[in-house]
Order: sequence, then C-alpha cells, then structure tokens
Amino acid sequence: DTAVSQTPKYLVTQMGNDKSIKCEQNLGHDTMYWYKQDSKKFLKIMFSYNNKELIINETVPNRFSPKSPDKAHLNLHINSLELGDSAVYFCASSQAGQSNNEQFFGPGTRLTVL
Amino acid sequence: AQSVTQLDSQVPVFEEAPVELRCNYSSSVSVYLFWYVQYPNQGLQLLLKYLSGSTLVESINGFEAEFNKSQTSFHLRKPSVHISDTAEYFCAVSRSGGYQKVTFGTGTKLQVIP
Repeated sequence: DTAVSQTPKYLVTQMGNDKSIKCEQNLGHDTMYWYKQDSKKFLKIMFSYNNKELIINETVPNRFSPKSPDKAHLNLHINSLELGDSAVYFCASSQAGQSNNEQFFGPGTRLTVL
Repeated sequence: AQSVTQLDSQVPVFEEAPVELRCNYSSSVSVYLFWYVQYPNQGLQLLLKYLSGSTLVESINGFEAEFNKSQTSFHLRKPSVHISDTAEYFCAVSRSGGYQKVTFGTGTKLQVIP
C-alpha cells in the first residue's frame, strides 16, 4: 500500500551509460515531480507533470527526459550518464485541485555514476 | 519569485533540550509554508503546514511552527527533543491557491546528542 514508489532504490552504473528510474503513485494525484538531491542535501526540482503534460522544466540538461505514460506514472530516463549525475533522485506527487500544494515523496533512488 | 533561507545547516542539541530551526522566506504574494522531515535514507515527509488561519501550527510529534508575516519567518520549535528527532528538516514555500511550484530551503540537520 505504498503511496509513491520508485525503482530501483539503488543504481550503480558507468559513465556514458543510459538508465531509467521509474515512479508510480497510487494516491490518485494528477501532478508528479522529479527532484535531485545532491551530496549536500540540497533539493532541486527538475520536472513537474500535470495530467501527463510537462509544466515545469528547470534548466535540466536534455540528457534527462521524463516520460509520463499516465497520471500515475512518471519515469526518468537519463542518457550518457556523467559523474555529476550522481545524486539521490526523488519522485513526488500532489493533487493540483487541492489548494494546499502538499507533496508526497517516494523513498528515493540513489544513483552512483562511476 | 519566492525563496527560502535556512540559516543553520546543522543544529546539535542535547536530548530533552529545546530546539529552534530557523526559516525565512521571501515572496511578494500570499504563501503557504511547510516543514518537511527527512530521516536517514528515506524520502521527505510533511511535518506541518501553514495555509491560513491560526499562525501557530502543530505536528503530532510535538513540533510547532509559527507564521510571522512581518518577519517573513516560519521557525520550527520543539520544547524537548528525542534521539528519534535526528533528521534533516526542510522548510518550503509556495504561492497560495491552486497548483503552485514549491521551493525548498537547503535543509537543517538536527543532531540530537544523548
């Protein structure tokens, strides 16, 4: 009965590889997000989708491509991985119709690029 | 644009002592304010929020925060901390009403010392 789930939890890969992280929410929310948390715990929004449409794209390299097949899923594909991509990536969701903007976070995916 | 400042990156405090984690925000419009907590190796969880009404809001585990519009602050307090409160705490702000982007502060690490 996990609200926001992400797979995998850990991802270790070589520079130059392409990898994907998956996110699913069962809260019935219509808005989903990807955040990047660096080694200093700084949390930065990358993308936001509302009803499968991209509404926030925060100056993220185009090696990062989000895909939302439906309202419950938002996947993140990363091409040509670089050392600086190492971080913890969090998926989150919220309901835009509610006026409180509360976001629910997944457990995170720790990406390590070697 | 809105922003959040958490002046303290780390706050060490002895068990059963009181603590205050500081948060200041800037915005030219009405805001919602949040405190999220991140326990080690986990995602963020909402601790408490201010939307409107009473300026003092409380969480179920003894934390409280007070919205001070004149000082643009939303400091988090607890009169007596436990070891289990050791975590990273993030202050966040969004414009009020409907879907709005949430901006997170840089986080404050609360370290409770036995």
